[in-house]
Amino acid sequence: GQQVMQIPQYQHVQEGEDFTTYCNSSTTLSNIQWYKQRPGGHPVFLIQLVKSGEVKKQKRLTFQFGEAKKNSSLHITATQTTDVGTYFCAGWGATDSWGKLQFGAGTQVVVTP
Amino acid sequence: DTGVSQDPRHKITKRGQNVTFRCDPISEHNRLYWYRQTLGQGPEFLTYFQNEAQLEKSRLLSDRFSAERPKGSFSTLEIQRTEQGDSAMYLCASSFMTASGTDTQYFGPGTRLTVL
Repeated sequence: GQQVMQIPQYQHVQEGEDFTTYCNSSTTLSNIQWYKQRPGGHPVFLIQLVKSGEVKKQKRLTFQFGEAKKNSSLHITATQTTDVGTYFCAGWGATDSWGKLQFGAGTQVVVTP
Repeated sequence: DTGVSQDPRHKITKRGQNVTFRCDPISEHNRLYWYRQTLGQGPEFLTYFQNEAQLEKSRLLSDRFSAERPKGSFSTLEIQRTEQGDSAMYLCASSFMTASGTDTQYFGPGTRLTVL
């Protein structure tokens, strides 16, 4: 079955630095979504990417969907303490029904001032 | 928009007991999802409804788990004969699936289940 993997599992960043987290699927995805979960909170939707090679930006966050629609990345520039949390990617397989969202295990981000 | 609500927020039960959780989605949303999340993992899909119809159920979901959405509004998730391995955060999410396939899921605060 489809598997979604994220690397790294853990990212320790100095405030002001940039970092990238990666998401890889074992199968082609129809689309990919990114969520953020703050410590003790619930996942909050960030963005959805649908098209091959699509790039979307939200302020300091840049999301990219791979050409083969099997991978994605999230790049954060000038990290702030408010970026602390776990970032999950989630996708629907190309042959799955549009309901069964498969989440990765997440990248936990810790920011030191 | 009052958000997705879940009740109870915490549940402690003894092994073998039955538990039931409730989820109230955002009112205009036609889809409702149940997930389970354990420490250090992403949400794991359990099942989802479109209106009152249960459209998919995870193969990982044993027969002890059942979910309903009788009137297409709130939903309940019941776990019978709980086991210690059922201890997890149970998350509910709702969405309005558009014709273009956009499906932004809004998560509730979750119900944390502890099975002793």
